[in-house]
Amino acid sequence: EAQVTQNPRYLITVTGKKLTVTCSQNMNHEYMSWYRQDPGLGLRQIYYSMNVEVTDKGDVPEGYKVSRKEKRNFPLILESPSPNQTSLYFCASSIPGTGGYEQYFGPGTRLTVT
Amino acid sequence: AQTVTQSQPEMSVQEAETVTLSCTYDTSESDYYLFWYKQPPSRQMILVIRQEAYKQQNATENRFSVNFQKAAKSFSLKISDSQLGDAAMYFCAYRRADMRFGAGTRLTVKP
Repeated sequence: EAQVTQNPRYLITVTGKKLTVTCSQNMNHEYMSWYRQDPGLGLRQIYYSMNVEVTDKGDVPEGYKVSRKEKRNFPLILESPSPNQTSLYFCASSIPGTGGYEQYFGPGTRLTVT
Repeated sequence: AQTVTQSQPEMSVQEAETVTLSCTYDTSESDYYLFWYKQPPSRQMILVIRQEAYKQQNATENRFSVNFQKAAKSFSLKISDSQLGDAAMYFCAYRRADMRFGAGTRLTVKP
């Protein structure tokens, strides 16, 4: 089954404790992206990757890191999480990085930072 | 930077009736793509419909259709014969390189 998986689905952590949210897709997609969803703000892009070893900042990259060492994986790293990073996070992938290709979304990760 | 605006935070519709969700966007580009995504309570993002900016014909997918006005930078979604399963958050999105989303419209369907 073609899908984007994220782990964990739910995470409660404390300020300053480094964490990683994993994202994996099995569709051989070139493009992968991370979003955060907050009430009243919709989805905002954090980072995206056009292909392996190619990453770029989205609208809200502060406090996040990413890497793309393999085509299928695109982990999101919070080196020192803060309460303002409490949010719902989505990973997404698509064939190329431009054009009208549908982005396939993971199920979301609910992160709470206390 | 491109921005996407959904001016209706909440909408409601009676079952079997028609509802239109509004979306406007700002861009200086001529070639781009527009999308409507649905997010039910499960939180899964589901593509409803897409529109290529170079196509004048409005996209349709069964009960879902769009009214694309390129000069006005408007991209509304019409849902006909609304069903209870249509209740969800709806997000309008613009894509050229990265993808920009609106803040969303919460649609309630009344039986």
